[in-house]
Amino acid sequence: QQQVKQSPQSLIVQKGGISIINCAYENTAFDYFPWYQQFPGKGPALLIAIRPDVSEKKEGRFTISFNKSAKQFSLHIMDSQPGDSATYFCAASITGTASKLTFGTGTRLQVTL
Amino acid sequence: DVKVTQSSRYLVKRTGEKVFLECVQDMDHENMFWYRQDPGLGLRLIYFSYDVKMKEKGDIPEGYSVSREKKERFSLILESASTNQTSMYLCASSLAPGAGGTRETQYFGPGTRLLVL
Repeated sequence: QQQVKQSPQSLIVQKGGISIINCAYENTAFDYFPWYQQFPGKGPALLIAIRPDVSEKKEGRFTISFNKSAKQFSLHIMDSQPGDSATYFCAASITGTASKLTFGTGTRLQVTL
Repeated sequence: DVKVTQSSRYLVKRTGEKVFLECVQDMDHENMFWYRQDPGLGLRLIYFSYDVKMKEKGDIPEGYSVSREKKERFSLILESASTNQTSMYLCASSLAPGAGGTRETQYFGPGTRLLVL
C-alpha cells in the first residue's frame, strides 16, 4: 500500500526554470512532511520540512506548499540550477512514532544548461 | 556533523550466503533504521530500532533480521541471501521522538550496493 504518492518520476528543467514535484498522502494522522535530496553515490539528506499548521515554508530557492484539505504537498525549486540535479523524495511521519518515515517513490530531477 | 558509516560500499554475494551489513553512527542517536532503495519504489523500511536490543519490523522485513547490541551500531542480516535481495541498502539514525524541530531528521549513510548472484 503506497501511502505517499509522488510525481513525476522524472523531470527535466532548464537552468533558471521552476521545478515542481508533487506528493499526496492518505493517512490523515501524518503531521510532519520532509523532503530529502539525494545525489548519486550519497545517502539522502534532509532538504526542507513542513508541519500542517502552516501552508507554506520557504528556505532560499526551495519552497514547500501544503494543502491539508487535499492531502497534498509539493516542492518548488525556483531558479533551478545544474547543481540541483538529484533525486528528491517526499516523506511523511507521525510525531512520536520513533520518527518513522514513509517515503514517496522519488523524482529524478535533471537541470540542463 | 552527524556521521553514519556503513561497512561496505559494494558487496557481491552468492545465493544462500549469510550476509551482514553493518552501520555505525557517532551522534548518540536513539533511533536507527535500515531501508532498501530500488528504482521506482523509493525507500522502503526493513527494520528499525529505538533502543539497544529493541527492534521493530518495518514494511518489508521478510528475509531479514537485525541486531542492536550497542547504541551506536545496527546490523542488518540476510540469513540466506536471494537474488531478489539485490539492492541498495541504506542505514539512517535519528534522535528520540519529540515535538517539533529537527528531532525527526534522519541522517543517512552512503549506502551499500549488494549484488546477490
